[in-house]
Amino acid sequence: KAGVTQTPRYLIKTRGQQVTLSCSPISGHRSVSWYQQTPGQGLQFLFEYFSETQRNKGNFPGRFSGRQFSNSRSEMNVSTLELGDSALYLCASSLALGEPQHFGDGTRLSIL
Amino acid sequence: DAKTTQPNSMESNEEEPVHLPCNHSTISGTDYIHWYRQLPSQGPEYVIHGLTSNVNNRMASLAIAEDRKSSTLILHRATLRDAAVYYCILCGAGTASKLTFGTGTRLQVTL
Repeated sequence: KAGVTQTPRYLIKTRGQQVTLSCSPISGHRSVSWYQQTPGQGLQFLFEYFSETQRNKGNFPGRFSGRQFSNSRSEMNVSTLELGDSALYLCASSLALGEPQHFGDGTRLSIL
Repeated sequence: DAKTTQPNSMESNEEEPVHLPCNHSTISGTDYIHWYRQLPSQGPEYVIHGLTSNVNNRMASLAIAEDRKSSTLILHRATLRDAAVYYCILCGAGTASKLTFGTGTRLQVTL
């Protein structure tokens, strides 16, 4: 059974640009969550989607957004990139809300 | 969210049992105790979770204190592949998809 797939694995952008990251959940999983991991702040919850609807949102500015498609695949978008957005972005999926999560290996985003 | 307290680091010898403690004195009656681990250069991996009773699975055992104010993750025979950061996380009912990670315990396993 394939795990959670995140693309791309690595990305380099410059300040002011925008970026879109993609996540394919495990087949049959309908809940997708996104997290940001940095050395200073650790792992922080960004948002969660279930049945194409955002169910929970973390404490991040509006530059961070996401969406989920009917096949449960999800994308997150960060606009007007700042140096502090350099991080590992992790996607996790679960069968349903409240179930243990399965994480991908992340997209490492570097901002120059 | 209720907070958890874990030691910053622990060491173990290979093939010996490891007991990773977690304190959660402000846990509420409906909070589940979840454990995840993160191996180097990988995303976190679900290990185990429980509410009141001790739990066992193929990866580990979870021992929960009677008053639920603490718990212990038990790796029965540590291997080098178990070297990781272990996170103890409290999840209210229906919030296991919105995890609040602390700093965790970095486990080192030596030969």
